[in-house]
Order: sequence, then structure tokens, then C-alpha cells
Amino acid sequence: DAGVIQSPRHEVTEMGQEVTLRCKPISGHNSLFWYRQTMMRGLELLIYFNNNVPIDDSGMPEDRFSAKMPNASFSTLKIQPSEPRDSAVYFCASSFDRVREQYFGPGTRLTVT
Amino acid sequence: GDSVTQMEGPVTLSEEAFLTINCTYTATGYPSLFWYVQYPGEGLQLLLKATKADDKGSNKGFEATYRKETTSFHLEKGSVQVSDSAVYFCALNRDDKIIFGKGTRLHILP
Repeated sequence: DAGVIQSPRHEVTEMGQEVTLRCKPISGHNSLFWYRQTMMRGLELLIYFNNNVPIDDSGMPEDRFSAKMPNASFSTLKIQPSEPRDSAVYFCASSFDRVREQYFGPGTRLTVT
Repeated sequence: GDSVTQMEGPVTLSEEAFLTINCTYTATGYPSLFWYVQYPGEGLQLLLKATKADDKGSNKGFEATYRKETTSFHLEKGSVQVSDSAVYFCALNRDDKIIFGKGTRLHILP
């Protein structure tokens, strides 16, 4: 299995631009999670989906952030407009069933200048 | 609410030293407990897990025992290697989510 796939691996953009991060979960997994990791705040859960339906988005920092999961094999996290404080590593993780262990992708390192 | 507390790092050891990273948790009921490891530039990987009291999880020479009486899940390894240098996260599952500790950075010196 290829594991969780994320793209791009690195993204550098200017403040105000739209950023779209992509994730392909492990085939057969029915739960998908988006996390953000920074030195200051550590690992934060942003949103998670179960069977393509958003279950809890209470971790999404503000309306500039949105996430979709149009099908079982693809999810996006969008930031519009981006700000320098959004600079972080964004991880996608998937699991089979919501309470099982999660498998993480390699992350997208986002830098907003 | 449920939470995980683990020892702050960084922890610096010499190769072949004994490792302990402390982890305690607060939770209602009986969550599953996990240790994840994050190597530089990579995502988190599941290292080991335990699903009920007195279970011992083990992998790659690492061990941790689910201690309900002390609400602990300490990570141990008898002889660390340079390649074990990474950040280690203790975690528990609660309902639909995994709650992570803040992570402990481990440096192993040759």
C-alpha cells in the first residue's frame, strides 16, 4: 500500500493568495483527519470526516479555512486568503473506523510570506 | 476533559543507554493508548498501542504497559540507537478522535 499521499510537499505563497492542500487516504479507510503542526501550538486537529461527511470542524481556526471530501479517495483543505500565521506543516491522516489508530501522510509544509 | 501529559524534552542520551519517557493520562472509561513517533521531515507513525489495562504494547525494542491504577503508559527501551532520535507522542483515543500529548524530542548521541 502506498500509504496516505499528500500534495504538494512544500508550498510557498504570498499573503492573500489561495492555497489548496490535497490528500489521498489509504484505500479502504473510512475516516480522514486534517491536522496542523507548529512549534508554538504543537499538533492540532482541524477537522475530520467519516464516510466523506464532516463530523467535527471545531478545530478549524476561522472562516478562511475550508475542507471537502468529495469521495472516499480524495480530500482538500483550502485557505483563502492565506496569512503568514497560517505557516505550518499540515498533515492528513486516515483510519479504518473512527476509533482505530491513524496513519499519517508525510505532510505539506506551508510558508506564507 | 480527557488529556495526555508527557515529559518535556529534549531528552539527550548516549547510544545504548536505557530510555524512559513518562506519559500519564486523564480519561473517563477505558481508552486505547498509543505511542507515535515522528522522524525528522516525516509524518507521525504508530509505534505501539495497548487497548486495555495491563496490556503491553511492543515494537522495535520499545515497550509500554497500560497501567490503569497509575493512569500511565510510559515508553521504555533497553538500549537506544542513534536512529531512535525523533519526537515521541503519547496519545489516547476518545470517541472519534485521538488526543495527543505535546511530544518529547529525543536525541541519541553516538
